[in-house]
Amino acid sequence: ETGVTQTPRHLVMGMTNKKSLKCEQHLGHNAMYWYKQSAKKPLELMFVYNFKEQTENNSVPSRFSPECPNSSHLFLHLHTLQPEDSALYLCASSQDGTGLNEQFFGPGTRLTVL
Amino acid sequence: AQSVSQHNHHVILSEAASLELGCNYSYGGTVNLFWYVQYPGQHLQLLLKYFSGDPLVKGIKGFEAEFIKSKFSFNLRKPSVQWSDTAEYFCAVNAGDSNYQLIWGAGTKLIIKP
Repeated sequence: ETGVTQTPRHLVMGMTNKKSLKCEQHLGHNAMYWYKQSAKKPLELMFVYNFKEQTENNSVPSRFSPECPNSSHLFLHLHTLQPEDSALYLCASSQDGTGLNEQFFGPGTRLTVL
Repeated sequence: AQSVSQHNHHVILSEAASLELGCNYSYGGTVNLFWYVQYPGQHLQLLLKYFSGDPLVKGIKGFEAEFIKSKFSFNLRKPSVQWSDTAEYFCAVNAGDSNYQLIWGAGTKLIIKP
């Protein structure tokens, strides 16, 4: 595998379920990001990890819980989500977390909350 | 709060037409500017970026963008589009008071008719 991979590609879950999204980067980068992409809206930055430390949390509800066990892996744990959380969740990585370096994106996980 | 505005959500052009996609941002200080592109079925990828120097920046696939500081703009241009340019284009800004994270526009979907 090369670049940034995300699993699963599609996820349908009920409001009471608990699920996790996984992201892996094979680029040797030190920063990883979670974004939410909704139709006709700008990408919303959710979380940033730089050298495994969380450096950004853009007022994301606690029903989203990130985990970064090492620089190559990033998880987004989901529980008691709402229908308005349905969106495409994108993972990205970059050399560092300054925002100045090119970000490399994964294909996204299409989440539907019923 | 800082924002990035992309004027058109959808643009439809014929092959060989000239393209200009607008991008305006709302920050008055030093900025770093990016255009990303998402081709159908592919990941978001960097098209070009501006940090300093010549305000006319050239990117991949014949695209260029011009930074006009007085207009807070960073419009994307291509003299003659091809069918393969069909994609969604995103403008993003990295500004000093955003903790150096990217602020994204809502995107412009470009459709090129063969």
